[in-house]
Amino acid sequence: SFELTQDPAVSVALGQTVKITCQGDGLRSYYASWFQQKSGQAPLLVVFGENNRPSGIPDRFSASSSGNSASLTITGAQAEDEADYYCHSRDNSGTLVVFGGGTKLTVL
Amino acid sequence: QVQLHQWGAGLLKPSETLSLTCTVSGGSFNHYYWAWIRQSPGKGLEWIAEFNHRREANYNSSLESRVTISLDTSKKEFSLRLKSVTAADTAVYYCARGVGYTTSPQTHFDSWGQGSLVTVS
Repeated sequence: SFELTQDPAVSVALGQTVKITCQGDGLRSYYASWFQQKSGQAPLLVVFGENNRPSGIPDRFSASSSGNSASLTITGAQAEDEADYYCHSRDNSGTLVVFGGGTKLTVL
Repeated sequence: QVQLHQWGAGLLKPSETLSLTCTVSGGSFNHYYWAWIRQSPGKGLEWIAEFNHRREANYNSSLESRVTISLDTSKKEFSLRLKSVTAADTAVYYCARGVGYTTSPQTHFDSWGQGSLVTVS
């Protein structure tokens, strides 16, 4: 089965840069997308595809990928970026959807 | 701007059937994916099922035997039924719109419902 693996928790000092990673064999075939989720809220799409941001998402959020790994980078993390982050992608056939286990980001 | 609004019973007894519906407003119903995703308390996101852009249904294999999804294009609604629920099905359930591309291997869920807490007790 296809799985996506994320580090459970990451911390970053205010204003510094942090990279959140996602690993899985399916990422060789499909781009990942990234969601931010704050407590009690629905997930919010922050980056998708090669490196695209929906309207309203700050440009400090960016994505990259290489081989079986995808990354979300926050350049100059802000206090409001403290949240859970999930990667998402599909299996090789494009039929099945998978989410990573999530990474809890703490901004110090 | 597209909005997804979902509703359904929030408290079920074990063995009952969960039923949720999601209405889409402010956008087209065609050419998108329509998905159900859940999140157990304190846990991560779990994809349940979806209709792809060809309106073909795909299911999470771990839930497939209990799940039925349906689509009503005339009402711009899609629905989820999960039978024989147990306490393990207690979760916030989300409906979501997915966007796919023919020229790039990617999809993403760009719009989500408000979430429905379903408790099985």
